[in-house]
Amino acid sequence: EAGVVQSPRYKIIEKKQPVAFWCNPISGHNTLYWYRQNLGQGPELLIRYENEEAVDDSQLPKDRFSAERLKGVDSTLKIQPAELGDSAVYLCASSFLDKRDTEAFFGQGTRLTVV
Amino acid sequence: AQKVTQAQTEISVVEKEDVTLDCVYETRDTTYYLFWYKQPPSGELVFLIRRNSFDEQNEISGRYSWNFQKSTSSFNFTITASQVVDSAVYFCALSEAGNQGGKLIFGQGTELSVKP
Repeated sequence: EAGVVQSPRYKIIEKKQPVAFWCNPISGHNTLYWYRQNLGQGPELLIRYENEEAVDDSQLPKDRFSAERLKGVDSTLKIQPAELGDSAVYLCASSFLDKRDTEAFFGQGTRLTVV
Repeated sequence: AQKVTQAQTEISVVEKEDVTLDCVYETRDTTYYLFWYKQPPSGELVFLIRRNSFDEQNEISGRYSWNFQKSTSSFNFTITASQVVDSAVYFCALSEAGNQGGKLIFGQGTELSVKP
């Protein structure tokens, strides 16, 4: 079974430029998460989708970040414009949240460097 | 408020030593789930274990064991006879079963280095 696939693995951009990350979750998983992991820290949730609906986006900086999950499958996270402080690893995860106690499976992440 | 604390930032051991990674959590929910994930240098978070708040039985899986104690709000992880391949950052995480169900609150992580 294929895991969570993210692309690109690495991205270097200049500040004020836009950037987008893509995630394809595990087939059949109805819940998709985007987390941000700063250096030396644990991941922090940015947004959680159940199917097509964003059910928790309280931590998403909506002035510059946007996300979509069309058709309830893959998802895109966008930053426009990027700031130096956005440098981090962006992790996508998915789970089947029919029961509340299922674990999330993570992709390898996209390491973003803003210069 | 939910919180997970991993007080040990870095641990270094010699191969074959036993090592325990500490995790203390805070939550107001009576139903919650605790997790451990491993993050090797490749960056992917690898699921190790999930525990729900109603099951305080300790668990052993090969060289790994977990000690869940609700009285002290702790969920510690022990690796017996450590190996170089165990070197990674380990994260403890909490998920509440209420409206935040599914959202993981992570600790800061413990970087384990196992030297040959």
